[in-house]
Amino acid sequence: KQEVTQIPAALSVPEGENLVLNCSFTDSAIYNLQWFRQDPGKGLTSLLLIQSSQREQTSGRLNASLDKSSGRSTLYIAASQPGDSATYLCAVRPWLSDSWGKFQFGAGTQVVVTP
Amino acid sequence: DAGVIQSPRHEVTEMGQEVTLRCKPISGHNSLFWYRQTMMRGLELLIYFNNNVPIDDSGMPEDRFSAKMPNASFSTLKIQPSEPRDSAVYFCASSLIRDRAYTGELFFGEGSRLTVL
Repeated sequence: KQEVTQIPAALSVPEGENLVLNCSFTDSAIYNLQWFRQDPGKGLTSLLLIQSSQREQTSGRLNASLDKSSGRSTLYIAASQPGDSATYLCAVRPWLSDSWGKFQFGAGTQVVVTP
Repeated sequence: DAGVIQSPRHEVTEMGQEVTLRCKPISGHNSLFWYRQTMMRGLELLIYFNNNVPIDDSGMPEDRFSAKMPNASFSTLKIQPSEPRDSAVYFCASSLIRDRAYTGELFFGEGSRLTVL
């Protein structure tokens, strides 16, 4: 069974520092990996989607890398701002065609950016 | 695009009452997912549909839970009878699948926060 781990569970950084968030998964047979942001009391907002054939995706200050062989993805947020404070979750979509909808989510990393 | 729309946003009910949560997926999406989120268990997939057909309901906790998707623009999740341990945030998500081997980006609604007293 695929297990997705996000370490650390919480992170606090001063404004302006770069954020590095980690996502590990146990089964490298994935179809894609998606990063989300969740603000308190809100739904999940999609940030980046990386297909298994890709090594990275970029959107503005966000960059996500994927290394399937080592079972890792990293989300980089450059020049963090207080508005980046949120919980960040990663989700892995399995390769198996009979489980295509069973995204496996990590527990998330709670980020606080202090002014 | 209006995004995934869920109602109600908040529901407080008493144990034993029936609860119905509603979801309107993004127009054009053909897959719909119901999740439950709690502090203890994180995000759990309850059931998902493709082209209005339930594909996998193995995450539905017990027979008290049921979900329907009568058409491409509407789905319900019903709990009858409700219990305090059902208290959680219930999310609906939708996606576009071009074929059975491809899943697109997941988009979530704002969630329905359920409290069962």
